[in-house]
Amino acid sequence: KAGVTQTPRYLIKTRGQQVTLSCSPISGHRSVSWYQQTPGQGLQFLFEYFSETQRNKGNFPGRFSGRQFSNSRSEMNVSTLELGDSALYLCASSFLPMGTDTQYFGPGTRLTVL
Amino acid sequence: DQQVKQNSPSLSVQEGRISILNCDYTNSMFDYFLWYKKYPAEGPTFLISISSIKDKNEDGRFTVFLNKSAKHLSLHIVPSQPGDSAVYFCAASGGTGANNLFFGTGTRLTVIP
Repeated sequence: KAGVTQTPRYLIKTRGQQVTLSCSPISGHRSVSWYQQTPGQGLQFLFEYFSETQRNKGNFPGRFSGRQFSNSRSEMNVSTLELGDSALYLCASSFLPMGTDTQYFGPGTRLTVL
Repeated sequence: DQQVKQNSPSLSVQEGRISILNCDYTNSMFDYFLWYKKYPAEGPTFLISISSIKDKNEDGRFTVFLNKSAKHLSLHIVPSQPGDSAVYFCAASGGTGANNLFFGTGTRLTVIP
């Protein structure tokens, strides 16, 4: 069974631009969660989508948004990029909602904002 | 506010010895705990979990202990192997209506051959 895939793996943007990251979950998984990893803050939860609905949202500004499609693939969008948005963005999938089932992570997208 | 804390950013252990990674949490409503291992350039991989109805869970060389009264859990790796060198994250979830998963900041384990 294929694992969680994320595209692109690396991305360089400049301040003020916007970016869209993609995550394809493990086949059959309906929950996709997004996390931001930075050296000082560790892994921080962004939001979770389950069956195309946002279930949970972390403490991030509205510039961070996402969506999930009927095939469970998810996209995360960050608008008006700031230097502090430079991070590794991870998505994770599970069959059941987050917190009730083990999540499996993708390799991440490394975003650098210049 | 960090609800899950890993106060040791790094740990070095000799091959064959025991590695003990610690994790503290502040929310007494957490009832499900997980450990993940992360190698560079890869996403975290699930290692072992424990629910609050148990105080110990074992899987091969990995054992997780949960002390609910102290709001503390630990991961024991015995014997430690060089391939165990990675960053270890603990995570917690639970509480009525709260399904978020909270992660610690990670502990980098180095197993010295």
